[in-house]
Amino acid sequence: DAMVIQNPRYQVTQFGKPVTLSCSQTLNHNVMYWYQQKSSQAPKLLFHYYDKDFNNEADTPDNFQSRRPNTSFCFLDIRSPGLGDAAMYLCATSRRRQANTEAFFGQGTRLTVV
Amino acid sequence: GENVEQHPSTLSVQEGDSAVIKCTYSDSASNYFPWYKQELGKRPQLIIDIRSNVGEKKDQRIAVTLNKTAKHFSLHITETQPEDSAVYFCAASRNGGATNKLIFGTGTLLAVQP
Repeated sequence: DAMVIQNPRYQVTQFGKPVTLSCSQTLNHNVMYWYQQKSSQAPKLLFHYYDKDFNNEADTPDNFQSRRPNTSFCFLDIRSPGLGDAAMYLCATSRRRQANTEAFFGQGTRLTVV
Repeated sequence: GENVEQHPSTLSVQEGDSAVIKCTYSDSASNYFPWYKQELGKRPQLIIDIRSNVGEKKDQRIAVTLNKTAKHFSLHITETQPEDSAVYFCAASRNGGATNKLIFGTGTLLAVQP
């Protein structure tokens, strides 16, 4: 049973054309994360939400933004995709409590920029 | 910020042998160390984790050890099987407030030869 669902699985966009990736969760977790994973590299945290509080990583480019309209959904907006933004984008969730810190990942969206 | 190094980047073992993957971290305040397994084209999935108040944890063929003084932790897989073949990521986080931010190592591609 999919608990963190990402759509689409594969996304092709044109250079400079805005694109939105979506993530939904059925776990009712407070925290949602967006990671960027390039080929043969570790997932890199872009930002995360704790409920509606947005937390941006210092080195996340301004080109990347996020929205979380409710507990279940979170979106990653790339305003002007460049060739270097081609990657797998992973959404993850975790509970609020420190004792339950496991992060549950979606299957990812592979973004291709042409 | 936290930095996690992981070695080796690739590891090939014969079926039935043991595999060991090592990670070091930089932030002495990190207190949660999960290991994720990512099969090709699939989401990262938690296989085992350890918190800083214990030195070792086992789950069937998988064990993790933590040396807080040296700031390193290791994954041990015994009696490896072909289905263990995947990329393994270590991660570290510190619980600051209500959220934890996972910082991943660079990954180890484990190949178990039948």
